[in-house]
Amino acid sequence: EPEVTQTPSHQVTQMGQEVILRCVPISNHLYFYWYRQILGQKVEFLVSFYNNEISEKSEIFDDQFSVERPDGSNFTLKIRSTKLEDSAMYFCASRRLAGETGELFFGEGSRLTVL
Amino acid sequence: GIQVEQSPPDLILQEGANSTLRCNFSDSVNNLQWFHQNPWGQLINLFYIPSGTKQNGRLSATTVATERYSLLYISSSQTTDSGVYFCASHAVGAGSYQLTFGKGTKLSVIP
Repeated sequence: EPEVTQTPSHQVTQMGQEVILRCVPISNHLYFYWYRQILGQKVEFLVSFYNNEISEKSEIFDDQFSVERPDGSNFTLKIRSTKLEDSAMYFCASRRLAGETGELFFGEGSRLTVL
Repeated sequence: GIQVEQSPPDLILQEGANSTLRCNFSDSVNNLQWFHQNPWGQLINLFYIPSGTKQNGRLSATTVATERYSLLYISSSQTTDSGVYFCASHAVGAGSYQLTFGKGTKLSVIP
């Protein structure tokens, strides 16, 4: 069964460092997402991406964050200068259908620890 | 955005017991999904269920969209069912396709 894959599964970084989290969405999917979950809290939307541009972003997704689809398969989340509060589990997701329907498929997550 | 409320927040079950988890929404919803987050933090898709009932093994889910709620049934629970169960959806016609998650139900199944 096709799945969303994420790398790395766990990354430890120093505050102020740049981090890139990578995702390979399901191949025929059109919409791509990043979500975040701080330990013990609920999963929160960060950004959605469609047709090579951001379609929506939350208040969390400030100038320190950026997303890119550098080739036909990868979808990346970059955090420019990490802060302690960026420590969280980051989930990539993808969806095939346009409009307001369609199941979201999540990857297994990348745990980011900022020291 | 919509509000998603899950109940109960915590649940302890003896292995073999059955349980029902509930998800209430503040508005009409679409793309209703249930997830299981295992102890390693991985999110596992359980059901995509905008309406009606689906079953997968010992799990089944029912969504009554007109009444703004969804239920997840776990029968004959096993210790591997432990973890946090999330429901998520987005409001119909909101123009926003992001899922809003509930705070989850933490399930502990004890032998």
